[in-house]
Amino acid sequence: VMTQSPAFLSVTPGEKVTITCQASEGIGNYLYWYQQKPDQAPKLLIKYASQSISGVPSRFSGSGSGTDFTFTISSLEAEDAATYYCQQGNKHPRTFGQGTKLEIK
Amino acid sequence: EVQLVESGGGLVQPGGSLRLSCAASGFTFSSYEMNWVRQAPGKGLEWVSYISSSGSTIYYADSVKGRFTISRDNAKNSLYLQMNSLRAEDTAVYYCARGFGSYWGQGTLVTVSS
Repeated sequence: VMTQSPAFLSVTPGEKVTITCQASEGIGNYLYWYQQKPDQAPKLLIKYASQSISGVPSRFSGSGSGTDFTFTISSLEAEDAATYYCQQGNKHPRTFGQGTKLEIK
Repeated sequence: EVQLVESGGGLVQPGGSLRLSCAASGFTFSSYEMNWVRQAPGKGLEWVSYISSSGSTIYYADSVKGRFTISRDNAKNSLYLQMNSLRAEDTAVYYCARGFGSYWGQGTLVTVSS
């Protein structure tokens, strides 16, 4: 089970955003972060907990291992309004977190 | 350019069947594991099924086990999801995704309703 928090965030542009994901058992670094905008497919932002993806802005980062993980947007931009999900890839079922809806103030 | 294009969604009555397809292009399909992920209206993402690159290893979510069958045809660069005994709670957009979600299709909507 992946427990993601918070479920909702309302943040001012320029501020830092932090989302956490906790696994019910150790998953190593098999943790992925996705961004989903309305009526779009999810987009991979971070793989293996902290590895960046080509073409993804550097303001997006991830950290953690084992059971506790953090996703950070260093300086929020208006285009970052979306729902963010974590997913574990250590074993099946490859469960997702419940999602965090990020609103721009 | 990597492309994944789902098809086969639509309206089906409870207890009915549908077969979803995902056509892959722009990469060596036979080298990659594939997944189906769904999203019910207004809800979060739910992983549905996995198939290894050769098709020899398969997993399902408990919610679909025994009703859904994942398969692939590497010669046709295609992924499939056979869905039987459909229920209202299977209503969702179904996405195919390559590997650990590095690429996703645009999704196909399945609606189970009488």
